[in-house]
Amino acid sequence: DTEVTQTPKHLVMGMTNKKSLKCEQHMGHRAMYWYKQKAKKPPELMFVYSYEKLSINESVPSRFSPECPNSSLLNLHLHALQPEDSALYLCASSLTDQGSTEAFFGQGTRLTVV
Amino acid sequence: AQKITQTQPGMFVQEKEAVTLDCTYDTSDPSYGLFWYKQPSSGEMIFLIYQGSYDQQNATEGRYSLNFQKARKSANLVISASQLGDSAMYFCAMRGIIQGAQKLVFGQGTRLTINP
Repeated sequence: DTEVTQTPKHLVMGMTNKKSLKCEQHMGHRAMYWYKQKAKKPPELMFVYSYEKLSINESVPSRFSPECPNSSLLNLHLHALQPEDSALYLCASSLTDQGSTEAFFGQGTRLTVV
Repeated sequence: AQKITQTQPGMFVQEKEAVTLDCTYDTSDPSYGLFWYKQPSSGEMIFLIYQGSYDQQNATEGRYSLNFQKARKSANLVISASQLGDSAMYFCAMRGIIQGAQKLVFGQGTRLTINP
């Protein structure tokens, strides 16, 4: 099983809403990532969790709040987003955050903020 | 600062021809990994091939091979016998020490179109 599952696949939310994106993997990976991808751009790293601890926060605004409840789950809590936050949000996991281990990606959540 | 450079925004290739997608990188970390991903219009990132900085031989995976030239800091992807289904966005990525931390970062991507 080399699958990373993201839910929901599509999400439309208002600027005053609170929503959460979910990511799950059962590969025993200990590193999990959130990326944001705007149209026709590469994925941009947002957060890295290593062994369930936040190891990298790429100066992401506080309206994005990551959470790693256990080694298989990664959430991204959204609150008071702006229309410019509309993007494809990709979750990934890898065995560790070091060296040669490839990262497996989910299919992403297409977020639209209205 | 962006440490992965893909200089070809788009490429058009005839079906069954081989295609080379360029990637150069910059890092001071002696230990790093280079990856290629394919992203179809559906959005998922599909892992294609990996090359480690200490690997002596170029990586190959089926129709994909990685032309790794360490001294030139290049890691080009070669797709042999291209197929219509190869049309997609292709990203080169690197894991290594970037701005003081281990990160997996991506180049700008190359949109490959295979013509019948």
